[in-house]
Amino acid sequence: LAKTTQPISMDSYEGQEVNITCSHNNIATNDYITWYQQFPSQGPRFIIQGYKTKVTNEVASLFIPADRKSSTLSLPRVSLSDTAVYYCLVGESMDSNYQLIWGAGTKLIIKP
Amino acid sequence: NAGVTQTPKFQVLKTGQSMTLQCAQDMNHNSMYWYRQDPGMGLRLIYYSASEGTTDKGEVPNGYNVSRLNKREFSLRLESAAPSQTSVYFCASSDYQPQHFGDGTRLSIL
Repeated sequence: LAKTTQPISMDSYEGQEVNITCSHNNIATNDYITWYQQFPSQGPRFIIQGYKTKVTNEVASLFIPADRKSSTLSLPRVSLSDTAVYYCLVGESMDSNYQLIWGAGTKLIIKP
Repeated sequence: NAGVTQTPKFQVLKTGQSMTLQCAQDMNHNSMYWYRQDPGMGLRLIYYSASEGTTDKGEVPNGYNVSRLNKREFSLRLESAAPSQTSVYFCASSDYQPQHFGDGTRLSIL
């Protein structure tokens, strides 16, 4: 069973770039890596998804090395409203079952 | 555009009572999921349904049953609630990834 590993918490300041890394060994060939953001009392919300190299959208970038055993979520110029828990999700197939392995989440605190 | 709707939003049960959590999605997604999230923890998959008419166990299925009523609806049933099932329950839907989540059902079992 694959396991994803993320830092438990991180602090940063407004205007800084924040990078959060997730390790995921045994990622399957066809699996994508997806990052979510969760605020208190809400369900997770999709941020970005990628398969390899680099993906960028209006809110974040995702860097995935060639071996795909890790990924790094990059949040440019964070603000106080980026304080949240961030999860990486990697889909994994085991035998005939499809297992979704969530990281434990990284609590990001942005300070003024 | 409602997305994923969960009912109820809050519920308190006594040990041994039964209850069904309801979930409906309006995005025509094939796959639906039920998760639980304990305080300060990540999400753990209870059951999922890859398509209408199929269901499979996730990481923590014991004590739960599910029904994929049709393509839109996926319910989670607790037959005999236990205090260890106190948690926030999230339903999600997708066509592979990404998943779209509801706002959760906060369930307390006394």
